[in-house]
Amino acid sequence: QVQLVESGGGLVKPGGSLRLSCAASGFTFSDYFMTWIRQAPGKGLEWISYISSSSRTIYYADSVKGRFTVSRDNAKNSLFLQMDSLRVEDTAVYYCARDRSGARGDFDFWGQGTLVTVSS
Amino acid sequence: QSVLTQPPSASGTPGQRVTISCSGSSSNIGSNDVYWYQQLPGTAPKLLIYRNNQRPSGVPDRFSGSKSGTSASLAISGLRSEDEAGYFCAAWDGSLSAVLFGGGTKLTVL
Repeated sequence: QVQLVESGGGLVKPGGSLRLSCAASGFTFSDYFMTWIRQAPGKGLEWISYISSSSRTIYYADSVKGRFTVSRDNAKNSLFLQMDSLRVEDTAVYYCARDRSGARGDFDFWGQGTLVTVSS
Repeated sequence: QSVLTQPPSASGTPGQRVTISCSGSSSNIGSNDVYWYQQLPGTAPKLLIYRNNQRPSGVPDRFSGSKSGTSASLAISGLRSEDEAGYFCAAWDGSLSAVLFGGGTKLTVL
């Protein structure tokens, strides 16, 4: 069965860095666009990044452009999000998800999420 | 980035039919498919409707989606207590090269 498991969240000071990972299993990871979506406490969903199956196409939300970097390792079935210059407003649960239709918003499987807290 | 517009809350009694709207523009809903997600308290979102009106296997036919122009709707008929959750619409925006989510609608079953 398809599984996505995020890790790497935690408490970090403003201006700091964190690297999130998402381990995928149960499907051919290298066939799919993957995405990161976050949800601030008590708030709605915010899409933040897409990476194509080959890593050739990458998109970012304006709110994280220039600070976050998405990458993947198809040999290890893993997705990553390098987060630099973190701000208090980046505090959220971060989900990885699979998009089965390319970059369309068709997120058919989600991980359980990992909490990132940015605070001094 | 802007969001798609949803009412923040909706409510109904068991057995009723409720609808949740999602309003966008020509660059997102007007030219791309709409997706709906259900988020039960304390859990990750779950795909509820894809490509405007298709249900994934396992989603009851009480849930239906529709789209017209730059707006979309999610309808839930035969409301049940377990439908109490947050509901989010989403669509790709070709002008922004981004996925936009609605702000979410919290459904309360009275």
